Amino acid sequence: RKEVEQDPGPFNVPEGATVAFNCTYSNSASQSFFWYRQDCRKEPKLLMSVYSSGNEDGRFTAQLNRASQYISLLIRDSKLSDSATYLCVVNINNAGNMLTFGGGTRLMVKP
Amino acid sequence: EAGVVQSPRYKIIEKKQPVAFWCNPISGHNTLYWYRQNLGQGPELLIRYENEEAVDDSQLPKDRFSAERLKGVDSTLKIQPAELGDSAVYLCASSSGLHYNEQFFGPGTRLTVL
Repeated sequence: RKEVEQDPGPFNVPEGATVAFNCTYSNSASQSFFWYRQDCRKEPKLLMSVYSSGNEDGRFTAQLNRASQYISLLIRDSKLSDSATYLCVVNINNAGNMLTFGGGTRLMVKP
Repeated sequence: EAGVVQSPRYKIIEKKQPVAFWCNPISGHNTLYWYRQNLGQGPELLIRYENEEAVDDSQLPKDRFSAERLKGVDSTLKIQPAELGDSAVYLCASSSGLHYNEQFFGPGTRLTVL
């Protein structure tokens, strides 16, 4: 079983739609959680951190459920520019900067 | 501020040939990472440096892969000899001691082994 699992997609949605991605992680000792975004043939970039209380950044909302060991990302009012692969990332040990990446979920926003 | 620099951007070689990738991290970033990313998958860590010390190389295939960061700044990753299965994008990333969790990635080197 992979340490971080995501539905690879693709998710094809129209502009303006709301779309949600989930991610599960296997190590209950995981300490911190993130979403990275990767555009086609580009490098990954940090999108947002995921806090236990949930957090929002504009149209993006991230949630963490420690009991069920899953993380979600909600995108409201999708834009064409949101088309990318979204990588779920877990840090098992805050004392060491060891990030484990999921396989990514591909999103395609259509006009 | 300059980002993480990698070269070459693309490399095509025949199997059994050697290949080397170079990375220059963001100035002041003590931690440097090498990742491999296969098509349709997330990056997988190969090796992590804190300054010039390799602190985690457990995922580095040591029979053919080697890496160095002699002066604690730029780094080289080498494969010798390359195999068909080594075709992937090799990503270098760096982070500072204050914000470990935000790793800044370079554009990567796309390796094709024929």
